[in-house]
Parts: sequence; C-alpha cells; structure tokens
Amino acid sequence: EVQLLESGGDLVQPGGSLRLSCAASGFTFRSYAMSWVRQAPGKGLEWVSSISTDGTVTFYADPVKGHFAISRDSSKNMVYLQMNSLRAEDTAVYYCVRKGKTGFHYGYFDYWGQGTLVTVPS
Amino acid sequence: EIVLTQSPGTLSLSPGERATLSCRSSQSVGSSYLAWYQQRPGQAPRLLIYGATSRATGIPDRFSGSGSGTDFTLTISRLEPEDFAMYYCQHYDSSFTFGPGTKVDIK
Repeated sequence: EVQLLESGGDLVQPGGSLRLSCAASGFTFRSYAMSWVRQAPGKGLEWVSSISTDGTVTFYADPVKGHFAISRDSSKNMVYLQMNSLRAEDTAVYYCVRKGKTGFHYGYFDYWGQGTLVTVPS
Repeated sequence: EIVLTQSPGTLSLSPGERATLSCRSSQSVGSSYLAWYQQRPGQAPRLLIYGATSRATGIPDRFSGSGSGTDFTLTISRLEPEDFAMYYCQHYDSSFTFGPGTKVDIK
C-alpha cells in the first residue's frame, strides 16, 4: 500500500524557516517523481514544487521560487521541502504527492499524504 | 499560461441524481492531459480521473470523464452520500495548474 507521511509543519514567525519531510513507502520510490501541493485555509489547491526521479531536475511555482527548495534522499525514501523567508501567504496545509508516470516532467498526482500545517502569522 | 475555469461553483443535488461538472481551459490541453480530484471535508484530495477519461485505481465506475481540447466534463452517474465533496480539475500539459473547484452539496 502506497503511503506518504508528512511531518515538520509548525507555527513560524515571518521571515523564519522550516523544513518539511515526507516519508514514502509501499512503492519503488526511486522510480517516481515527487511533488508538494499546498492548500491555504478555505482555498483551493496550488502546486508548489516537483523533483525528478533522480533529483537532478526541480520545478517551482513562481510564488515560492528562490525561497523554497525541494530535495529527495532515495536511500531513505524521503522527500523534503526547505522553506525559507516564510510569509503569511505561505500559510497552508502542505501535501506530499506522488506524480503518476506520464513519461515527461508534468503529470497528475496519484497518491497524496494527509498533509502538514504550516502557519505564518501576519 | 493555461487558466482553468470550473462551473458551476456549487452544484446542489440529491442522492441518486446525476452530476455534471465542467472544466474549461483558456488554451487547448494537449493530448488530454487533464485530471480530476475529489476532496471530502477534512481529507486529502484523491485522484479520480487522468488523461481526461481514465479512471484511477479503485474509483467506482459511476465516475466518468470526457472531453478534449478546451472543454472537459466529470460526470457522476448516481450520487452516493460519500460523493458530496469538492472536485478539482488539473491540467498537466505544460505545468501543474488546478481549477478553482466545484462543490457538490446536498440539496
């Protein structure tokens, strides 16, 4: 059974940093690209970042480019999101998601974790 | 940049009725790279449909997707109580963009 378990969400002051972690299990981790998607309270879904199977290619949404960094450790089946210079608008539930095999960098998200809440007060 | 529009914003129906949800793209979505997700209150989203028409693993056959180009539809043939939820479309042609969602609630 595919499982994605996020951790690391917290209340952090503006300008602060946080690292989210995602533990993956139940599938061949190194064969799948991984992503983070966030959802602000009462709002819709927003893609944040993606990383290729081997970790060499990364993508970021414009609002987080330059202050978030995605990484993965295939020896531990882990994905990370380093979040720096946090702002109130980064407040959201952050979901770790697996990208379905589409054969190119973009794709649908076939498995989702339960999410971890990041709160940055204004 | 492709922008997705979903309509209606809210759909009020009774259990057993048919639901038809629309997702319109500002540009043609290549090769039908369009997915649908369901999000129940307090839960993570789950994939329903990918490639515009293919059901994801474990999704009941009352859910079906159709369309191509700029107009896509998610149809729920007979609403079950657990189907009252938010539904999002997403394109993955040249980025990852979600629509604003359609809420299906109980009439």
